[in-house]
Amino acid sequence: EDQVTQSPEALRLQEGESSSLNCSYTVSGLRGLFWYRQDPGKGPEFLFTLYSAGEEKEKERLKATLTKKESFLHITAPKPEDSATYLCAVMASGYSTLTFGKGTMLLVSP
Amino acid sequence: NAGVTQTPKFRVLKTGQSMTLLCAQDMNHEYMYWYRQDPGMGLRLIHYSVGEGTTAKGEVPDGYNVSRLKKQNFLLGLESAAPSQTSVYFCASSFDPDRGLDTEAFFGQGTRLTVV
Repeated sequence: EDQVTQSPEALRLQEGESSSLNCSYTVSGLRGLFWYRQDPGKGPEFLFTLYSAGEEKEKERLKATLTKKESFLHITAPKPEDSATYLCAVMASGYSTLTFGKGTMLLVSP
Repeated sequence: NAGVTQTPKFRVLKTGQSMTLLCAQDMNHEYMYWYRQDPGMGLRLIHYSVGEGTTAKGEVPDGYNVSRLKKQNFLLGLESAAPSQTSVYFCASSFDPDRGLDTEAFFGQGTRLTVV
């Protein structure tokens, strides 16, 4: 059974204080690992897809990395508008559906 | 380009009532999904469809039915609502991962359903 565990459950940062969110996964074979951002009362918004260990992708202050067992979402010099819940999901080889983690709620204070 | 549109956005049902949630996408995606999101549980897959006329069960299908009569629409039905079905429901769509195109799913804004 595919499993996705995100940590921490919640994270409070000061504006400009860089940090990382963790996504540990167990899957028979990885087809893709996905990061989403979800604002309160909204649907998840796609951020990145990572397909193989060693891959990295960046978007503004966010950088996602992937190893064979986990992924990190690095947030550099965050701003209050980065406050949201960040979701990680995996798609196993041979399948077409996503298994989500429970998310990390990030709060960035000015 | 609207993306994924869900209707209604809010609904309150009495126990035993029925209702249908509508999802429409305009991205020509083959795959469509219905998830529910509950506090502390994350997003869980209810049913999904890999193409017009096809449906399949997800992780938590009991108490729900779905239909995909047209490629762009995916309906989620509750025949006899129960308080345990109080949740936020999200529809999503994506290209067929086997096509080699981008595989990310795009989500609608959600339907907040309360069953009393």
